[in-house]
Amino acid sequence: DQQVKQNSPSLSVQEGRISILNCDYTNSMFDYFLWYKKYPAEGPTFLISISSIKDKNEDGRFTVFLNKSAKHLSLHIVPSQPGDSAVYFCAADGGTSYGKLTFGQGTILTVHP
Amino acid sequence: GAGVSQSPSNKVTEKGKDVELRCDPISGHTALYWYRQSLGQGLEFLIYFQGNSAPDKSGLPSDRFSAERTGGSVSTLTIQRTQQEDSAVYLCASSLNGPDTQYFGPGTRLTVL
Repeated sequence: DQQVKQNSPSLSVQEGRISILNCDYTNSMFDYFLWYKKYPAEGPTFLISISSIKDKNEDGRFTVFLNKSAKHLSLHIVPSQPGDSAVYFCAADGGTSYGKLTFGQGTILTVHP
Repeated sequence: GAGVSQSPSNKVTEKGKDVELRCDPISGHTALYWYRQSLGQGLEFLIYFQGNSAPDKSGLPSDRFSAERTGGSVSTLTIQRTQQEDSAVYLCASSLNGPDTQYFGPGTRLTVL
């Protein structure tokens, strides 16, 4: 039972354009969502998060949008840069007293110069 | 400061052998997590340690898997009688406290022949 899904295994965009990565979840108990970025041979690094009490959080070029009614979140990267090329994972926290994260399968983003 | 470190970075073993994977969390982080990422899959939660509390082992896939955390710092994940389906990247993460952002190590790539 995949509670967090990233249905696009890959995404290719041109440098300077917007990258939109999508994530869907099924568990209504999730109340905190995170995006991690992973380069080959490295562990994931935290990128941005959003609480379920918000619908948008912005940090520089990165913005995460949350649509609770649709159980959908998205990560926007504007403008995209070649260094953004990596695997992006969305993750959800179930509101327990600790961060037991449930991850999606990841989306490979490639930004072409 | 030093991040999360894991050793070995790569481990090749024969089916049926036992393996030990090590994680050194960030100094002062009380929470420690183990995840694994199988080929083409997202990160799968395995086990969680928080301070001196009993660990949450709910993600361990079988009784061949066990983990301990000595002195509230270093953790060892042990897989007994390894099987080919155990082949994956095993990732360790730590956080200052349970709900806080998790910082991941580079992972150990385990290959069971």
